[in-house]
Parts: sequence; C-alpha cells; structure tokens
Amino acid sequence: DIQMTQSPSILSASVGDRVTITCRASQTISSWLAWYQQKPGKAPKLLIYKASILENGVPSRFSGGGSGTEFTLTINRLQPDDFATYYCQLFRGTFGQGTKVEIK
Amino acid sequence: EVQLVESGGGLVQPGGSLRLSCAASGFTFITYEMNWVRQAPGKGLEWLSYISSSGKTIYYADSVRGRFTISRDNAEKSLYLQMNSLRAEDTAIYYCVRNRDYALDFWGQGTPVTVSS
Repeated sequence: DIQMTQSPSILSASVGDRVTITCRASQTISSWLAWYQQKPGKAPKLLIYKASILENGVPSRFSGGGSGTEFTLTINRLQPDDFATYYCQLFRGTFGQGTKVEIK
Repeated sequence: EVQLVESGGGLVQPGGSLRLSCAASGFTFITYEMNWVRQAPGKGLEWLSYISSSGKTIYYADSVRGRFTISRDNAEKSLYLQMNSLRAEDTAIYYCVRNRDYALDFWGQGTPVTVSS
C-alpha cells in the first residue's frame, strides 16, 4: 500500500503569514491527491483536488501543487478562520497524519 | 441542498455487529461513487471503503477487509456499512462521504460507534 507522510505535524503561525504543508507519497502517484481542512467537532471540508484544483467556494489564498511523490498545500496571508487541521489523501487510500495549524 | 445523514451508530460489545446507514438527498445519488471514512477519538482520518455508482466495484482498507461490507441501494438513495467482529479499535465517528473528481467532496455529519464491554 502507498503511504502518505505529511509534515509538519504542528505549524505555529501568525495571521498574515504564508504557510506550506508537505505530503510525500511512498511511491510515485498520479495527481489523485486532495487536501482537506477540519475544524474541531466538524466534518472535513474539501479544499483542493487533483493536486492543484481549487474546490468551488474555497478562498484563492489556498493553493496546491506538486507531482510524483511530493505535494504541497500553501496558504497565503493566513486568516483567523484558517487555524485548523489539514489532511492530504490519495484517492481511495491513506490520509496523511494531519497538520495542525495553530496561532503562534 | 446536498445532504448525507448517517444513522445506526451506538454502543456495541466487542465481537458484535452494527449496520450503518446513510441517507442521501439533494443530488443524483445513482451517478456518484461513495465512501466511508472514520475518525477515532483525537486521531486522524482513516479511509475505509469505496463503492462505485453501480455498486459493482468495491475497495476496502486492510484494517476492515473481511469484517466490513459496503453496499448501496440506488432506488432508496442509501449507502450502508455492515460492520462485523467489532473491536475496541473500531471506536470512531463514521462518515459517509461522496466522491467527485477523485476526491471526497461532501461529508455527512458522522455517526459515533463505541465498541466496549
């Protein structure tokens, strides 16, 4: 099975910062990589699909990139509403361990 | 409005069984692939199972293969997860999730399952 390694586990940042979360696959994968945001007590929300396509209604400060085995989620100009936990996932497969973005 | 409403969760003893249901509305259920995903208390997300729109193609995570069975009734617009031989480590919130463009684009609110004696 393909494993997904997400880093960092915790990211401390301030409002207005640019942050990047990385997801590495144990072997080369297609672009079937998605990113999700989850807030406490809520179901996850789709942010990015096919590695780089922004889901409808998601702010443009979110962007996804990468190919092969390394993928990234970048949040430009971090907003108060963005403090949450983020997960990557290979379609029909493993989720990354999650990255908690917390206020510095 | 798209809705996915899970039901059937609860407290069950180790070795027992539960059947989760997910009622879909607000979209053409028969055209969408569906999944089950769970989240143990304080832990990350775990994809469990996928079923194609016709029900003919099914995949499972290693952790549940042979114990859990996914199914769907397109006429009833419902998704199911039959869970047998339950273990303490199956304790989690179980989410019914719609598939679109190789991603999980809409999630239900989840139903809690507790496996304990």
